[in-house]
This record gives sequence, C-alpha cells and structure tokens, in this order.
Amino acid sequence: QSVLTQPPSVSGAPGQRVTISCTGSSSNIGAGYDVHWYQQLPGTAPKLLIYGNSNRPSGVPDRFSGSKSGTSASLAITGLQAEDEADYYCQSYDSSLSGSNVFGTGTKVTVL
Amino acid sequence: EVQLVESGGGLVQPGGSLRLSCAASGFTFSSYEMNWVRQAPGKGLEWVSYISSSGSTIYYADSVKGRFTISRDNAKNSLYLQMNSLRAEDTAVYYCAREIPTVTTNWFDPWGQGTLVTVSS
Repeated sequence: QSVLTQPPSVSGAPGQRVTISCTGSSSNIGAGYDVHWYQQLPGTAPKLLIYGNSNRPSGVPDRFSGSKSGTSASLAITGLQAEDEADYYCQSYDSSLSGSNVFGTGTKVTVL
Repeated sequence: EVQLVESGGGLVQPGGSLRLSCAASGFTFSSYEMNWVRQAPGKGLEWVSYISSSGSTIYYADSVKGRFTISRDNAKNSLYLQMNSLRAEDTAVYYCAREIPTVTTNWFDPWGQGTLVTVSS
C-alpha cells in the first residue's frame, strides 16, 4: 500500500487542462523531500516526466508542469493531447520506510 | 545512448527461483546506484530493491526481504536480482532503473524495458 495517494483517473477533452494530485504526509512530501513524476504510455516502461518538483527533462513538452506545496504535489497538463493518454506516477522519499523510495498509486489520464 | 536491458524473466512454479539480469550501457555503470521496481498486471509501480554504486549498501522492500537478493558486477556493467521462494503475488514486470543522485531526493532515469515474471503452477 503506497504512502502517496493519487486519484485513480482523470479525464479531459483535447486542449483542456487537467491536474493530478499526489498527497503524502509529514514523513515524505511534508518533510521537504522532492517529488518526481513519471509517464507510462500503454505497454511501455515508465519515463521521467518531471524531476525536482517542477523541472522538465530535455524533450518533455512545456505543457507538462509540476508543483509542490505542504504535503502534496501536483502535475498539470495544459493543452491536453491524445498522446498524453497514459498512466502517471509520482515518486518521493519517505523517511519511515526501508529503502525509502516510494511511488504514488498512479493516475490514468483519459483524453475524451 | 544510455540504455538498460533486462532479461531472465519467465514462468516459474510457486516456491521456485529465478535470476534477473540488467545490462547497462552508455554510461559509467560503477558510478550509479541502481534499483529494481516491479509492476503487477494492471497495478501500480512498487519499488523492490536498491544497491549502492559499490554494492556495499542494499535495501529491500518488506514484501521481498529474505527472499530476493540484489547484486551487481561493475566489471560486467550488470545488475542482478536473485528471486527465491517465489509466490503468485511476485508475478509482475520487473524493471531496472538507474538512480540519479541529488542533494535531496533521487529519481529514476532511465528505466529498462522490463522483463515479465509469472509465478504459477
């Protein structure tokens, strides 16, 4: 059972803006640890989408943005496109767990 | 090009063993911490195990502790996961992932393509 909670699904029409939340606690996000986001297209391996809360790796479109506040983080997709239909996972560090790396429960983004 | 390629997955009976391998290329493997992450069919990502660049520090998820062993051979640019006493709930795609070091919270990049492990009689 993950310590980072995400909504199971979000959806939007092409061109719309959707947001995905990642809710943690005082032992992970709330303790000041950074949040990273991964995109997993159907049938493929996860790919880094956002690192350090709000930074995009080279090649990631600027319609993807991340933020963090308190014990939560968010991923926003503006100008939603059909190719954005995928699963999205947040990841952070939890000081109460062995090994400490933790993933969110995952969110399926559907483009209507 | 930085690349990770897993191998060794397959069908195994409950209680059996399997050894996964991850071949790294395109970067100085010995300088990076590595991880195994798994994903059960239709489920989310679950971190499995971590190994430091030298192999001196190792961590496991509670779900696999005592049954799985992570190791690496820096001379061969390879990461391994020895899985013993396998259970049906270990059925998953297993990914190896390079850990990028930072001051605060590390992230995983890149990931391999994954190898499927199916535990069934």
